Amino acid sequence: DVKVTQSSRYLVKRTGEKVFLECVQDMDHENMFWYRQDPGLGLRLIYFSYDVKMKEKGDIPEGYSVSREKKERFSLILESASTNQTSMYLCASNLQGGVNIQYFGAGTRLSVL
Amino acid sequence: QKEVEQNSGPLSVPEGAIASLNCTYSDRGSQSFFWYRQYSGKSPELIMSIYSNGDKEDGRFTAQLNKASQYVSLLIRDSQPSDSATYLCAVNGDSGYALNFGKGTSLLVTP
Repeated sequence: DVKVTQSSRYLVKRTGEKVFLECVQDMDHENMFWYRQDPGLGLRLIYFSYDVKMKEKGDIPEGYSVSREKKERFSLILESASTNQTSMYLCASNLQGGVNIQYFGAGTRLSVL
Repeated sequence: QKEVEQNSGPLSVPEGAIASLNCTYSDRGSQSFFWYRQYSGKSPELIMSIYSNGDKEDGRFTAQLNKASQYVSLLIRDSQPSDSATYLCAVNGDSGYALNFGKGTSLLVTP
């Protein structure tokens, strides 16, 4: 079974804090993704990575950065958290060149106060 | 931005009935299509994938794809209250890596 693990289920942070969301997958997948999900807006892609140290912007990268130093780990960084970044954050991974099925982690619900 | 459109619902069906969920997409070049189920407060889980025109059946679920009309649908036969969830349609995106998701259709199966 594919396992995508997000380090925290719930996080509460203060405005201006630097926030790290961690994601680890155990299936040797090349591709990893960060989405945020908001009511009425659906799932929106923030960043993705197709290889170690490689990253591509998604639809809403502003205010976020990412890091992929190892194949199994993909981190999302909020440099200076703001209240409009309160959301559910979902990590996903899949194989490169495969049938593109994405497997999701359990999600991190982040509240920025 | 390639669009994936779904009726937000809620779609309400009685237990035992067939639930029909629809999705349209804008990119004629799309090749891969997926249906995910998402329970409230949980992450999406894959229930069906389809790549060729026609029907694909898996248990009580049938995915239907019509590339000429640019729509994909999901039928759930013998609907159960446990099928009550939001169903997300996803289509492969511009980059070839990422998926474009619809906003989801909320399904409620009433006993």
